[in-house]
Amino acid sequence: EPEVTQTPSHQVTQMGQEVILRCVPISNHLYFYWYRQILGQKVEFLVSFYNNEISEKSEIFDDQFSVERPDGSNFTLKIRSTKLEDSAMYFCASSGDFRAGNTEAFFGQGTRLTVV
Amino acid sequence: AQSVTQPDIHITVSEGASLELRCNYSYGATPYLFWYVQSPGQGLQLLLKYFSGDTLVQGIKGFEAEFKRSQSSFNLRKPSVHWSDAAEYFCAVGAKEYGNKLVFGAGTILRVKS
Repeated sequence: EPEVTQTPSHQVTQMGQEVILRCVPISNHLYFYWYRQILGQKVEFLVSFYNNEISEKSEIFDDQFSVERPDGSNFTLKIRSTKLEDSAMYFCASSGDFRAGNTEAFFGQGTRLTVV
Repeated sequence: AQSVTQPDIHITVSEGASLELRCNYSYGATPYLFWYVQSPGQGLQLLLKYFSGDTLVQGIKGFEAEFKRSQSSFNLRKPSVHWSDAAEYFCAVGAKEYGNKLVFGAGTILRVKS
């Protein structure tokens, strides 16, 4: 079965450092996403990416965050200067177009980011 | 604003007993609905989805859910719970009018006692 893979599974970083979280979406999907889940809280949408550009972003996704699809397979989330409150599980997902009908978002296993 | 409510933070059921996890949504649009399950340290696995048609949908692992538009609900059910069902369950909602993002509920942690 196709799957979304994320690396690393766990990342510890010092406050103020830059981190890059990596994802390999399912190859024939067109939409890519990042969600995050702060410990004990709900899963929150960060950003969606389609046709090499951001299609939608939440208010959480401020100037500290950026996404990129540097090649045909990887999809990355960069946090420029991490803050303690960025500590969370970050999920990558990919899907077809929901507006076209019956599809689903496949989620990766997540990267647990700990900012110290 | 779109919102999803899972009113039960924790539920404990006995192995072999039936299960119902509640999900209510508030959307100004025709929703599509999902249930995901997350085991500790794991990602989100899709249990089932509803886009249109029959309002009772069957999923993996013996789960089913019923979409009730009049109640804005999409409750998850299983007739007989197994110990391996212990996990956290998330209801998620999207709509064509709101692009491709999903809005998640806060989750319900299911504990199964033997």
